[in-house]
Amino acid sequence: QLQLQESGPGLVKPSETLSLSCSVSGDSITTNSYYWVWIRQPPGKGLEWIGYVYFSGSSDYNPSLNSRVTMSMDTSKNQFSLNLRSVTAADTAVYYCARRSTVGFYDYWGQGTLVTVSS
Amino acid sequence: EIVMTQSPATLSVSPGERATLSCRASQSVSSNLAWYQQKPGQAPRLLIYAASTRATGIPARFIGSGFGTEFTLTISSLQSEDFAVYHCQQYNKWPSMYTFGQGTKLEIK
Repeated sequence: QLQLQESGPGLVKPSETLSLSCSVSGDSITTNSYYWVWIRQPPGKGLEWIGYVYFSGSSDYNPSLNSRVTMSMDTSKNQFSLNLRSVTAADTAVYYCARRSTVGFYDYWGQGTLVTVSS
Repeated sequence: EIVMTQSPATLSVSPGERATLSCRASQSVSSNLAWYQQKPGQAPRLLIYAASTRATGIPARFIGSGFGTEFTLTISSLQSEDFAVYHCQQYNKWPSMYTFGQGTKLEIK
């Protein structure tokens, strides 16, 4: 059974960088059928796709966040990660990592981690 | 960007009754639509993909329908565990800018 688990600081100061990792078990992130994504959900709001990273090393990001986002993979640890620079209070959200099928829906999700941006 | 609009924002239904949730796309997404269920403090769970195909382990009372711009999720006889927030998501716009609706909260009447 595939499992994903987010990890990282729950509190980040404004203007700093939010860094999260997602550990994957039950499948290799180098499987060439899936994309590994980050999605976030501000408190009381809807879901927002942040971006994906693919086993080939390719990635793509939400244009609204593009200039601040970097995603990468560590195949030795079977993990992928998210860096979001220059955060503000608007970046406060529950951050989920998930697996996206080649078709486009998200079939496995991590439990989510709340990241609060505050001084 | 394709905008997904869900209605109503909140739906109050009694257990045992049927619930009908709607999702509208700002342009055609063919049948490239998924539904997710999210309970408080939990991650979303995939219910339906390809507009009408139930994901593994999803009970038959969850029925997805629609094509193009209009989609419906019907829960035929509500159980207590079905009260949650439901999100729709389109995945028609390759390669990656797939968008969600704002969610419908299904609450006990």
